[in-house]
Amino acid sequence: DAGVIQSPRHEVTEMGQEVTLRCKPISGHNSLFWYRQTMMRGLELLIYFNNNVPIDDSGMPEDRFSAKMPNASFSTLKIQPSEPRDSAVYFCASSLLQGALGELFFGEGSRLTVL
Amino acid sequence: AQSVTQLDSHVSVSEGTPVLLRCNYSSSYSPSLFWYVQHPNKGLQLLLKYTSAATLVKGINGFEAEFKKSETSFHLTKPSAHMSDAAEYFCVVSPNQAGTALIFGKGTTLSVSS
Repeated sequence: DAGVIQSPRHEVTEMGQEVTLRCKPISGHNSLFWYRQTMMRGLELLIYFNNNVPIDDSGMPEDRFSAKMPNASFSTLKIQPSEPRDSAVYFCASSLLQGALGELFFGEGSRLTVL
Repeated sequence: AQSVTQLDSHVSVSEGTPVLLRCNYSSSYSPSLFWYVQHPNKGLQLLLKYTSAATLVKGINGFEAEFKKSETSFHLTKPSAHMSDAAEYFCVVSPNQAGTALIFGKGTTLSVSS
């Protein structure tokens, strides 16, 4: 298996631009998670899906952030408009079991820099 | 409520000496516990997990952890550090409830000097 695949690996954009991060979970996994990692705040859960349905989005910072999972093999995290404080590494992870019940498999992350 | 506390933000050891990374947890339910490792510019990788079987859990790369319910601890150890062990380590608790997510500690950076 190819593991969790994220794209782009690196993104540099200017404040106010729209950013879309993509994730392909491991085939057969039915839970998908988006995390954000910064030096200041560490690893933060933004949102997670079970069977393509958002279960907990309480970690989404504000309305500028949105996430979708149109099918079992694809998810997006969108930031519009982006701000410098959104600069971080964004990780996608998937799990075979629902929510907290299973081991998470992480992608290698998307490093976002907003100028 | 569930929580996890990693007692050291940074641990430095010399190559060949033992490693101890400390973790305490709080959980209202019988938890599952994990240690993840993150090497620079990489995603997190599972090191080992405890799921109510043997209290001493062996993981990859010679690491092991012992679940101590009386102390609510799940410390990570390795008898002899290697340079390649330098990384960030996360202790994670799962409340084992559907509809909830894993709870990550803030991480411990392990430095290994030659």
